[in-house]
Amino acid sequence: EPEVTQTPSHQVTQMGQEVILRCVPISNHLYFYWYRQILGQKVEFLVSFYNNEISEKSEIFDDQFSVERPDGSNFTLKIRSTKLEDSAMYFCASSEASGTGGADTEAFFGQGTRLTVV
Amino acid sequence: AQKVTQAQTEISVVEKEDVTLDCVYETRDTTYYLFWYKQPPSGELVFLIRRNSFDEQNEISGRYSWNFQKSTSSFNFTITASQVVDSAVYFCALSEVRTGANNLFFGTGTRLTVIP
Repeated sequence: EPEVTQTPSHQVTQMGQEVILRCVPISNHLYFYWYRQILGQKVEFLVSFYNNEISEKSEIFDDQFSVERPDGSNFTLKIRSTKLEDSAMYFCASSEASGTGGADTEAFFGQGTRLTVV
Repeated sequence: AQKVTQAQTEISVVEKEDVTLDCVYETRDTTYYLFWYKQPPSGELVFLIRRNSFDEQNEISGRYSWNFQKSTSSFNFTITASQVVDSAVYFCALSEVRTGANNLFFGTGTRLTVIP
């Protein structure tokens, strides 16, 4: 069964460093998402991406964050200068369609990357 | 603005008991989706169900059932004959078609512990 894969599973980085989290969405999916879950808290939407541009972003997704689809398979989340409060589990997701207009599609989540900023 | 409330922070039940997890939502949109996800101790998010706002039929899938009531803005989840493997955090989520049907807004989750 196709799945969303994320690498690495766990990353430790020093405060102020740049970090790139990588995701390989399901191959025929067109919509991509990043979510964040601070330890013990709820999952929060960060950004959605379609046709090589951001569709929606939350207030959390400030100028420190960026997303990119550098090639036909990867979808990355970059944090330019990490802060302690960026420590969280980051989930990538993808869907075949946006789900709008009655399209019956769901988002599939990856296993997550646990980011620890020290 | 959308809001999802899961008032039960933690629930413990003895194996084989039935348990209902509550979810109350708020949205100004007339077209929206509701979801339940399971997060086991390993951390991944496991999709359980998605319902659109026009489909109020209750759903049963094995030991799982969902009760969607627009009149009370609730989308409750019941596990019958609970098992130890059901121990996890369960998240209810909402998305609005206007902002993106897969841009999910999650509740704070309910941690379910099933005691053998």
